[in-house]
Amino acid sequence: QSLLTQPPSASGTPGQRVTISCSGSRSNIGTNYVCWYQQLPGTAPRLLIYNSNQRPSGVPDRFSASKSGTSASLAISGLRSEDEADYYCAAWDDSVSGWVFGGGTKLTVL
Amino acid sequence: EVQLVESGGDLVQPGESLRLSCAASGFTFSSYVMSWVRQAPGKGLEWVSSISMSGGDTYYADSVKGRFIISRDNSKNTLYLQMNSLRAEHTAVYYCAKGHSSSWGVPYNCFESWGQGILVTVSS
Repeated sequence: QSLLTQPPSASGTPGQRVTISCSGSRSNIGTNYVCWYQQLPGTAPRLLIYNSNQRPSGVPDRFSASKSGTSASLAISGLRSEDEADYYCAAWDDSVSGWVFGGGTKLTVL
Repeated sequence: EVQLVESGGDLVQPGESLRLSCAASGFTFSSYVMSWVRQAPGKGLEWVSSISMSGGDTYYADSVKGRFIISRDNSKNTLYLQMNSLRAEHTAVYYCAKGHSSSWGVPYNCFESWGQGILVTVSS
Protein backbone atom coordinates (compact mmCIF):
# COMPACT_ATOMS: atom_id res chain seq x y z
CA GLN A 1 0.00 0.00 0.00
CA SER A 2 1.40 3.38 -1.10
CA LEU A 3 2.09 6.08 1.45
CA LEU A 4 0.62 8.54 -1.05
CA THR A 5 -2.98 7.95 -2.11
CA GLN A 6 -4.28 8.79 -5.56
CA PRO A 7 -7.60 7.94 -7.18
CA PRO A 8 -7.05 5.00 -9.55
CA SER A 9 -8.84 6.70 -12.41
CA ALA A 10 -10.04 10.04 -13.70
CA SER A 11 -11.67 11.16 -16.90
CA GLY A 12 -12.75 14.19 -18.85
CA THR A 13 -13.76 15.38 -22.27
CA PRO A 14 -11.58 17.45 -24.60
CA GLY A 15 -11.31 21.04 -23.42
CA GLN A 16 -12.35 20.24 -19.86
CA ARG A 17 -10.33 20.82 -16.72
CA VAL A 18 -9.54 17.80 -14.57
CA THR A 19 -7.79 17.51 -11.25
CA ILE A 20 -5.97 14.58 -9.71
CA SER A 21 -5.48 14.47 -5.96
CA CYS A 22 -2.61 13.04 -3.92
CA SER A 23 -3.05 12.52 -0.21
CA GLY A 24 -0.14 11.95 2.13
CA SER A 25 0.98 12.70 5.64
CA ARG A 26 3.11 15.09 7.63
CA SER A 27 6.26 13.09 6.99
CA ASN A 28 6.01 13.38 3.22
CA ILE A 29 3.76 15.98 1.57
CA GLY A 30 3.36 17.88 4.82
CA THR A 31 7.09 18.55 5.02
CA ASN A 32 8.58 18.14 1.56
CA TYR A 33 8.08 19.17 -2.04
CA VAL A 34 5.83 17.16 -4.36
CA CYS A 35 6.74 15.97 -7.85
CA TRP A 36 4.28 14.94 -10.54
CA TYR A 37 5.01 12.60 -13.43
CA GLN A 38 3.20 11.68 -16.62
CA GLN A 39 3.67 8.25 -18.18
CA LEU A 40 2.28 7.76 -21.65
CA PRO A 41 1.56 4.13 -22.62
CA GLY A 42 4.74 2.17 -23.26
CA THR A 43 7.09 5.05 -22.45
CA ALA A 44 9.30 6.23 -19.61
CA PRO A 45 7.83 8.70 -17.13
CA ARG A 46 8.20 12.44 -17.73
CA LEU A 47 8.58 15.08 -15.02
CA LEU A 48 5.62 17.48 -15.12
CA ILE A 49 5.97 19.38 -11.84
CA TYR A 50 8.79 19.86 -9.33
CA ASN A 51 8.93 21.81 -6.07
CA SER A 52 5.18 21.20 -5.72
CA ASN A 53 4.15 23.78 -8.33
CA GLN A 54 7.01 24.47 -10.77
CA ARG A 55 6.98 23.35 -14.38
CA PRO A 56 10.17 22.26 -16.15
CA SER A 57 10.83 23.95 -19.45
CA GLY A 58 8.79 22.38 -22.21
CA VAL A 59 5.82 21.45 -20.04
CA PRO A 60 2.73 23.35 -21.23
CA ASP A 61 1.11 25.78 -18.81
CA ARG A 62 -2.07 23.70 -19.12
CA PHE A 63 -0.49 21.67 -16.35
CA SER A 64 -0.50 23.22 -12.88
CA ALA A 65 -0.20 21.91 -9.36
CA SER A 66 -0.66 22.99 -5.78
CA LYS A 67 -0.06 21.72 -2.27
CA SER A 68 -1.93 22.34 0.93
CA GLY A 69 -1.09 20.67 4.22
CA THR A 70 -0.70 16.96 3.58
CA SER A 71 -2.41 16.93 0.19
CA ALA A 72 -1.46 17.97 -3.31
CA SER A 73 -3.25 18.17 -6.61
CA LEU A 74 -2.46 18.30 -10.30
CA ALA A 75 -4.75 20.20 -12.63
CA ILE A 76 -4.90 19.81 -16.38
CA SER A 77 -6.87 22.43 -18.26
CA GLY A 78 -7.89 22.38 -21.91
CA LEU A 79 -7.77 18.59 -21.87
CA ARG A 80 -6.42 16.96 -25.03
CA SER A 81 -6.46 13.38 -26.26
CA GLU A 82 -2.68 13.23 -25.91
CA ASP A 83 -3.04 13.82 -22.17
CA GLU A 84 -4.38 10.29 -21.82
CA ALA A 85 -1.76 8.69 -19.58
CA ASP A 86 -0.92 7.55 -16.07
CA TYR A 87 -0.08 10.29 -13.60
CA TYR A 88 1.98 9.80 -10.44
CA CYS A 89 2.72 12.01 -7.48
CA ALA A 90 5.87 11.53 -5.41
CA ALA A 91 7.49 13.06 -2.35
CA TRP A 92 10.41 12.41 -0.04
CA ASP A 93 9.26 10.76 3.17
CA ASP A 94 11.26 11.63 6.28
CA SER A 95 10.00 8.61 8.23
CA VAL A 96 11.37 6.07 5.75
CA SER A 97 14.18 8.29 4.41
CA GLY A 98 13.16 7.60 0.87
CA TRP A 99 11.00 8.65 -2.04
CA VAL A 100 7.41 7.45 -2.06
CA PHE A 101 5.09 7.36 -5.05
CA GLY A 102 1.35 7.44 -5.27
CA GLY A 103 -0.29 4.41 -6.84
CA GLY A 104 -0.94 6.34 -10.03
CA THR A 105 -4.06 7.72 -11.69
CA LYS A 106 -5.11 6.58 -15.13
CA LEU A 107 -6.55 9.54 -17.01
CA THR A 108 -8.98 8.78 -19.81
CA VAL A 109 -9.98 11.44 -22.33
CA LEU A 110 -13.50 10.57 -23.41
CA GLU B 1 20.60 16.71 -24.86
CA VAL B 2 20.47 14.52 -21.77
CA GLN B 3 20.78 10.83 -22.55
CA LEU B 4 20.55 7.96 -20.10
CA VAL B 5 21.05 4.47 -21.47
CA GLU B 6 20.52 1.47 -19.23
CA SER B 7 22.09 -1.91 -19.87
CA GLY B 8 22.61 -5.22 -18.10
CA GLY B 9 19.05 -6.42 -17.85
CA ASP B 10 18.52 -10.14 -18.29
CA LEU B 11 16.52 -13.21 -17.37
CA VAL B 12 18.06 -14.70 -14.24
CA GLN B 13 17.16 -17.43 -11.80
CA PRO B 14 16.14 -16.73 -8.20
CA GLY B 15 19.16 -16.23 -6.00
CA GLU B 16 21.39 -14.97 -8.80
CA SER B 17 22.97 -11.55 -9.09
CA LEU B 18 22.90 -8.90 -11.78
CA ARG B 19 24.52 -5.51 -12.28
CA LEU B 20 22.73 -2.76 -14.15
CA SER B 21 24.59 0.14 -15.72
CA CYS B 22 23.37 3.53 -16.85
CA ALA B 23 25.58 5.49 -19.25
CA ALA B 24 24.95 9.22 -19.02
CA SER B 25 25.72 11.97 -21.50
CA GLY B 26 24.68 15.51 -22.33
CA PHE B 27 25.19 16.94 -18.85
CA THR B 28 27.80 17.21 -16.10
CA PHE B 29 27.19 13.82 -14.52
CA SER B 30 29.12 14.52 -11.33
CA SER B 31 26.87 17.51 -10.53
CA TYR B 32 23.61 15.61 -10.24
CA VAL B 33 21.93 13.19 -7.90
CA MET B 34 21.10 9.93 -9.67
CA SER B 35 18.47 7.33 -8.90
CA TRP B 36 16.94 4.01 -9.88
CA VAL B 37 13.17 3.63 -10.12
CA ARG B 38 11.42 0.41 -11.11
CA GLN B 39 8.05 -0.63 -12.44
CA ALA B 40 6.79 -4.18 -12.12
CA PRO B 41 4.67 -5.43 -15.04
CA GLY B 42 1.31 -3.67 -14.99
CA LYS B 43 2.12 -1.87 -11.75
CA GLY B 44 3.05 1.64 -10.64
CA LEU B 45 6.38 3.31 -10.10
CA GLU B 46 8.55 2.34 -7.14
CA TRP B 47 11.66 4.18 -6.03
CA VAL B 48 14.60 1.82 -5.52
CA SER B 49 17.70 3.83 -4.64
CA SER B 50 19.43 7.20 -4.94
CA ILE B 51 23.01 8.39 -4.69
CA SER B 52 24.49 11.80 -4.01
CA MET B 53 26.65 13.68 -6.50
CA SER B 54 29.91 12.47 -4.98
CA GLY B 55 28.62 8.99 -4.23
CA GLY B 56 29.23 9.48 -0.54
CA ASP B 57 25.57 9.22 0.44
CA THR B 58 23.28 6.41 -0.65
CA TYR B 59 19.61 5.76 0.04
CA TYR B 60 17.57 2.59 -0.43
CA ALA B 61 13.97 1.50 -0.31
CA ASP B 62 13.34 -0.91 2.53
CA SER B 63 12.39 -3.56 -0.03
CA VAL B 64 15.95 -3.68 -1.40
CA LYS B 65 18.08 -2.59 1.55
CA GLY B 66 20.88 -5.06 2.19
CA ARG B 67 20.36 -6.70 -1.17
CA PHE B 68 21.01 -3.94 -3.74
CA ILE B 69 23.99 -1.56 -3.93
CA ILE B 70 23.98 1.71 -5.86
CA SER B 71 27.23 3.27 -6.98
CA ARG B 72 28.57 5.68 -9.54
CA ASP B 73 31.79 6.31 -11.42
CA ASN B 74 31.96 10.01 -12.18
CA SER B 75 35.05 9.51 -14.34
CA LYS B 76 33.03 7.22 -16.59
CA ASN B 77 29.69 9.08 -16.34
CA THR B 78 28.08 5.83 -15.31
CA LEU B 79 25.59 4.80 -12.63
CA TYR B 80 25.35 1.22 -11.39
CA LEU B 81 22.94 -0.98 -9.48
CA GLN B 82 24.31 -4.25 -8.12
CA MET B 83 21.42 -6.57 -7.41
CA ASN B 84 22.07 -9.64 -5.29
CA SER B 85 19.96 -12.61 -4.21
CA LEU B 86 17.30 -11.73 -6.71
CA ARG B 87 13.72 -12.89 -6.20
CA ALA B 88 10.69 -13.06 -8.46
CA GLU B 89 9.30 -9.87 -6.90
CA HIS B 90 12.32 -7.97 -8.27
CA THR B 91 11.04 -8.55 -11.80
CA ALA B 92 10.49 -5.10 -13.28
CA VAL B 93 11.61 -2.49 -15.75
CA TYR B 94 14.38 -0.54 -14.05
CA TYR B 95 14.78 3.12 -14.95
CA CYS B 96 17.82 5.28 -14.37
CA ALA B 97 16.88 8.87 -13.53
CA LYS B 98 18.72 12.19 -13.18
CA GLY B 99 17.82 14.72 -10.50
CA HIS B 100 16.41 18.07 -11.56
CA SER B 101 18.74 20.32 -9.56
CA SER B 102 22.52 20.48 -9.23
CA SER B 103 22.15 22.56 -6.08
CA TRP B 104 20.17 20.25 -3.84
CA GLY B 105 20.57 16.84 -2.28
CA VAL B 106 18.65 13.63 -2.77
CA PRO B 107 15.48 14.53 -0.79
CA TYR B 108 14.87 17.65 -2.86
CA ASN B 109 15.57 16.32 -6.32
CA CYS B 110 12.70 15.16 -8.45
CA PHE B 111 13.52 12.74 -11.26
CA GLU B 112 13.90 15.06 -14.23
CA SER B 113 15.28 12.83 -16.98
CA TRP B 114 14.70 9.13 -17.41
CA GLY B 115 16.33 6.38 -19.40
CA GLN B 116 14.28 4.10 -21.62
CA GLY B 117 14.28 1.40 -18.95
CA ILE B 118 15.75 -2.10 -18.87
CA LEU B 119 13.87 -5.29 -18.11
CA VAL B 120 15.01 -7.57 -15.32
CA THR B 121 13.20 -10.89 -15.14
CA VAL B 122 13.74 -13.24 -12.23
CA SER B 123 12.28 -16.66 -12.90
CA SER B 124 13.20 -20.30 -12.73
